[in-house]
Amino acid sequence: DGGITQSPKYLFRKEGQNVTLSCEQNLNHDAMYWYRQDPGQGLRLIYYSQIVNDFQKGDIAEGYSVSREKKESFPLTVTSAQKNPTAFYLCASSILGQGDEQYFGPGTRLTVT
Amino acid sequence: QKEVEQNSGPLSVPEGAIASLNCTYSDRGSQSFFWYRQYSGKSPELIMFIYSNGDKEDGRFTAQLNKASQYVSLLIRDSQPSDSATYLCAVNTDNDMRFGAGTRLTVKP
Repeated sequence: DGGITQSPKYLFRKEGQNVTLSCEQNLNHDAMYWYRQDPGQGLRLIYYSQIVNDFQKGDIAEGYSVSREKKESFPLTVTSAQKNPTAFYLCASSILGQGDEQYFGPGTRLTVT
Repeated sequence: QKEVEQNSGPLSVPEGAIASLNCTYSDRGSQSFFWYRQYSGKSPELIMFIYSNGDKEDGRFTAQLNKASQYVSLLIRDSQPSDSATYLCAVNTDNDMRFGAGTRLTVKP
């Protein structure tokens, strides 16, 4: 089955710890994205990547980091510098770029206390 | 700042009725438009996309685009309780995708 997987589904961390969220796709899509969703708000773009070993900051990149060493994988690290990390994190991919239809993984709900 | 606006709802319709969801956008140059359905606690699922003015139909769903008035709408015919979800509008302008906050739809049996 082709698709996007994210793990884990739920993640709990103590304040001050870095945490890495996994995102893998086997759709052979070039572009991958990380969004954050907070209650009552639209999706906000954290980072995106259109090609291996290259990525760009989105609107809210501060306190986050990413890597794109393989086409299939785009992990997101939430660092201790992120002031309000508790949120629902969504990974997406599209064939070429942001103008294409984006398909989402199941999401990771991160709670930091 | 490119903006995408949706009425947050909740929009409540009886089963079998037509649900009409609206979305306005600020950039007149926007090229492509998408509707996603998001069930509570789940990730968004793409329902429809539309690029040209007019209507695009897919089963019980119709997307309508009016670029002159800068709005895009989604009609759901014969609404079912399983259509109860939040519907997100997304607008692409020069490879910059923006999402609205969504409209919560409730279909009552």
